[in-house]
Amino acid sequence: DARVTQTPRHKVTEMGQEVTMRCQPILGHNTVFWYRQTMMQGLELLAYFRNRAPLDDSGMPKDRFSAEMPDATLATLKIQPSEPRDSAVYFCASGKLAYTDTQYFGPGTRLTVL
Amino acid sequence: GENVEQHPSTLSVQEGDSAVIKCTYSDSASNYFPWYKQELGKRPQLIIDIRSNVGEKKDQRIAVTLNKTAKHFSLHITETQPEDSAVYFCAASIKLGNQGGKLIFGQGTELSVKP
Repeated sequence: DARVTQTPRHKVTEMGQEVTMRCQPILGHNTVFWYRQTMMQGLELLAYFRNRAPLDDSGMPKDRFSAEMPDATLATLKIQPSEPRDSAVYFCASGKLAYTDTQYFGPGTRLTVL
Repeated sequence: GENVEQHPSTLSVQEGDSAVIKCTYSDSASNYFPWYKQELGKRPQLIIDIRSNVGEKKDQRIAVTLNKTAKHFSLHITETQPEDSAVYFCAASIKLGNQGGKLIFGQGTELSVKP
């Protein structure tokens, strides 16, 4: 049963430090999504890739966040410098091709910025 | 901007009763409406979805209805069981010109089923 994997599962860091989160989408999936989940804002889309090309990152604070897909098996989300308000659970999800295909979520990275 | 409103935010029912969660969306061009279930500390998982060319879809104890005219859709769970306790999210698709699209999620409903 193929699943999306994410590392690390938990990350505690201090304000100002760089944070890198990694995601391995399901083999054969061509779309990758990064979401942030907080109690206040719910699930927010940060970035969206199709065939490794970024299609939408309008939900991402550009000054400190960046998302890339170096290859089809790896997506990364970086925060530099991190701030306490970035504390949240970050989910990666992948899907076959269209945004209207089922999205399969990874287990998430719980980030705490002190 | 586009948004999805979900109600109620919390719902408590007795085991065996039915539960209904409602969502409204703003973009009349939305054509895909999935529902995700998230258990405590776990990842969201798709439980059912509906597309705009149908008005209702059922899968065992779960059903979803869609009213495109009114721009709202609902999740119905019958014969609820304690394992149905979780947070449920609705979502609606938003097209991004020629760039594909994305899902806009509701704020979630925390369902508690009491034995």
